[in-house]
Amino acid sequence: SQQGEEDPQALSIQEGENATMNCSYKTSINNLQWYRQNSGRGLVHLILIRSNEREKHSGRLRVTLDTSKKSSSLLITASRAADTASYFCAARGGSYIPTFGRGTSLIVHP
Amino acid sequence: DAMVIQNPRYQVTQFGKPVTLSCSQTLNHNVMYWYQQKSSQAPKLLFHYYDKDFNNEADTPDNFQSRRPNTSFCFLDIRSPGLGDAAMYLCATSRDIRQGPYEQYFGPGTRLTVT
Repeated sequence: SQQGEEDPQALSIQEGENATMNCSYKTSINNLQWYRQNSGRGLVHLILIRSNEREKHSGRLRVTLDTSKKSSSLLITASRAADTASYFCAARGGSYIPTFGRGTSLIVHP
Repeated sequence: DAMVIQNPRYQVTQFGKPVTLSCSQTLNHNVMYWYQQKSSQAPKLLFHYYDKDFNNEADTPDNFQSRRPNTSFCFLDIRSPGLGDAAMYLCATSRDIRQGPYEQYFGPGTRLTVT
């Protein structure tokens, strides 16, 4: 099955700084999604990027996709303490069901 | 507005004592999923339903069973919980992802402790 792997595993920044997380996957995908998980809670969908798209924006989020490198990145600009969470990518290939990586744990210090 | 509801939020059970976790949804989605998530790990898909069509992951232990009596409800049964089954169990729903790139909606999870 397809799987995303996030990098770094942990990221600690100051409020106002940008946070960049990367995701790599193994084979061809139809789309890639990013989710956020606050501590002890369920996952919340952030953004989906299709395989024919290179960049997508949603508020302070910017996602890029490089299918030649089989990688995606999530940029959070002007981070806030409330952005503290774990971020997961989920790559969907031919198996329909996206599978999740281990996530990046982001801590934003006020 | 609650969309995917999981009960209970916290469940403590004894080693070997059967336990049932429940999930309900108000989204009328035809696909429902159960994931197991251990600390600092990826959510691991246990099984999913397309309507009543049950799909088990190859590496899901036989100890885990599921029921979906109707569109709105889905249950996870752990027949004989072991200490290794202590985890967060996440229920999710989506529209038919075979038809489009639909997102998943997750419940808040049930934290299972096995004593």
